[in-house]
Amino acid sequence: NAGVTQTPKFRILKIGQSMTLQCTQDMNHNYMYWYRQDPGMGLKLIYYSVGAGITDKGEVPNGYNVSRSTTEDFPLRLELAAPSQTSVYFCATRGVQETQYFGPGTRLLVL
Amino acid sequence: QKEVEQNSGPLSVPEGAIASLNCTYSDRGSQSFFWYRQYSGKSPELIMFIYSNGDKEDGRFTAQLNKASQYVSLLIRDSQPSDSATYLCAVLQAGTALIFGKGTTLSVSS
Repeated sequence: NAGVTQTPKFRILKIGQSMTLQCTQDMNHNYMYWYRQDPGMGLKLIYYSVGAGITDKGEVPNGYNVSRSTTEDFPLRLELAAPSQTSVYFCATRGVQETQYFGPGTRLLVL
Repeated sequence: QKEVEQNSGPLSVPEGAIASLNCTYSDRGSQSFFWYRQYSGKSPELIMFIYSNGDKEDGRFTAQLNKASQYVSLLIRDSQPSDSATYLCAVLQAGTALIFGKGTTLSVSS
């Protein structure tokens, strides 16, 4: 039982490049989330999904896209990377009693 | 945008002391409140959740909720150096997603 896994752990992108951050869960949770965390800041919600085929924007969705074709996977797509997207990205699921479980994070540096 | 406010700290306490972490929230309709601990370079991990006014105890941790004052706190008794971390307060918004405060950094000195 791996919980929430994220790949890659670390990535350096050049400005204008694109990439997909992968998130997979094996807990059969319907709700999944993407957050970003900038240094010294709390987590800000980018996108979330309440189930396969259903996604919605969070607080900071600009520059990102998501899809949810299966319960297990919730990839986050960055198009045209910008230095402002340098951050740590956390994927999370929601289980019983509304508790969220976080993946280990992906550290992204855009230069 | 609903807000969750925390003092950034750092809050410094000696080993064995009680650490008190505070959080206020703006959405009066919020019903569920969470405290997460985050070590440097790691992901947040849940410490406690609380839904009802009053106190909830779990080992050395006590969460306190006052909905009338829109205030939630976390007390850590017998603080240990291993408690040194950033503590994030989170509030469930619209039953859908957590809104996080910026976190309070706690430093416990031995």
